[in-house]
Amino acid sequence: DTGVSQDPRHKITKRGQNVTFRCDPISEHNRLYWYRQTLGQGPEFLTYFQNEAQLEKSRLLSDRFSAERPKGSFSTLEIQRTEQGDSAMYLCASSFWSYNEQFFGPGTRLTVL
Amino acid sequence: RKEVEQDPGPFNVPEGATVAFNCTYSNSASQSFFWYRQDCRKEPKLLMSVYSSGNEDGRFTAQLNRASQYISLLIRDSKLSDSATYLCVVNVRAGNMLTFGGGTRLMVKP
Repeated sequence: DTGVSQDPRHKITKRGQNVTFRCDPISEHNRLYWYRQTLGQGPEFLTYFQNEAQLEKSRLLSDRFSAERPKGSFSTLEIQRTEQGDSAMYLCASSFWSYNEQFFGPGTRLTVL
Repeated sequence: RKEVEQDPGPFNVPEGATVAFNCTYSNSASQSFFWYRQDCRKEPKLLMSVYSSGNEDGRFTAQLNRASQYISLLIRDSKLSDSATYLCVVNVRAGNMLTFGGGTRLMVKP
C-alpha cells in the first residue's frame, strides 16, 4: 500500500497519560499535515510541515501538543497530559508542496477515559 | 461564525433523485475550492475540485460563485453508494492547510 499510513489506528488512554501517534506520508510528498476531527464536525487543521520544517501551527495546538518530522519523512504527534476533550480522530495528510490535493491517512481514533 | 458553513442535513433521498448541497465561505482570499467525500469512520477523499467556470464529473456538477462566496454540488441520478458525508473545503493558498465545513450527510434509500 503506497498511501498515507497511520499508527496506531485506535488508542484508548486514561486522562493524564501521554500518547504519541505516527504518520507515514506518501514517499514523494514533502508536505505533511495533521488535522483533528470530532464527531459530527469537519476536520480542523492542527499543523503542517514542509520537509522537516514546521511551517504553521493552529491555535488549537495547545502547549500539550507537539509534532515533529525529524528527517522530513514520517511525523509524530504527541499529546501530553491527555484530557477528555482530546478524544477525537487525528488525521494525517500529505501532498506535494504546491499542489492542492491532500491525501489522507485512515486516522488514529483517540479515546481518553 | 465558521469559516466554511454547510447544512448538516441529513438529506434523505430515493435512488435516482437529484440532490444539491450548498456551502458558503467567509474568507474572500480563498483561492481553491473542493468537495471531499467521507464515508462513516473513514478518511476524507477528494471528490472534485471546483472551478469558477463550473465543472462536471459524471453525475456530479460543482459550481463556484466568488462574488457570493458560495459553492454548490449537484448529484444527479443518486446511487445507494453515494450515501456519505460531503465536505466543502477551501484553501487560501496552494499547499497550505485546508479549511473544512462541517459536512452534509446524504442518505440515499432504495
